Amino acid sequence: GENVGLHLPTLSVQEGDNSIINCAYSNSASDYFIWYKQESGKGPQFIIDIRSNMDKRQGQRVTVLLNKTVKHLSLQIAATQPGDSAVYFCAGEETSGSRLTFGEGTQLTVNP
Amino acid sequence: NAGVTQTPKFRILKIGQSMTLQCAQDMNHNYMYWYRQDPGMGLKLIYYSVGAGITDKGEVPNGYNVSRSTTEDFPLRLELAAPSQTSVYFCASRKTDRREQYFGPGTRLTVT
Repeated sequence: GENVGLHLPTLSVQEGDNSIINCAYSNSASDYFIWYKQESGKGPQFIIDIRSNMDKRQGQRVTVLLNKTVKHLSLQIAATQPGDSAVYFCAGEETSGSRLTFGEGTQLTVNP
Repeated sequence: NAGVTQTPKFRILKIGQSMTLQCAQDMNHNYMYWYRQDPGMGLKLIYYSVGAGITDKGEVPNGYNVSRSTTEDFPLRLELAAPSQTSVYFCASRKTDRREQYFGPGTRLTVT
């Protein structure tokens, strides 16, 4: 199955700075990746996704980059705000579909 | 739409007791999932279902059972609760043709 993991467990940034959260995966057969945000005491919330045939996808203040050569994806958050403080998970899905495999998560703390 | 709802929000069980965690969704999603999340960790898939009458094991199915008699409901049954099942349980659902999963608010279970 997919093995998805994160480089760093915690990230602390100043309000207004850009944040970059990284994720590595091991299964090159994965064709779909998602980033989720989980605030304390709540369920994960979808942020953005990317298919393996893309290198980059942009949303509102967020960008996901996929580097298939080194099996790495990242989530960039522009102008980070206190409301962005949460745990961020990447998840990968195998080509066969149906199941996501989640990484361990990165705790993002935004300092005012 | 209420989205994905879970009951109860909290529960304390004694070792050896049984209980059912309820999950319901009103979005007519065919796919439904049960995850557990241990403190500071990512989500691990327990069971999933691609439609009424169809269920399949995930990464950590031991000690759990599920049923899917309707599209809306996907209860998770714990038989003979053990301390290792202390965790937060999340239910999720998605459309057949979309990969984004919608999560419920979770059930925090403690087994003592």
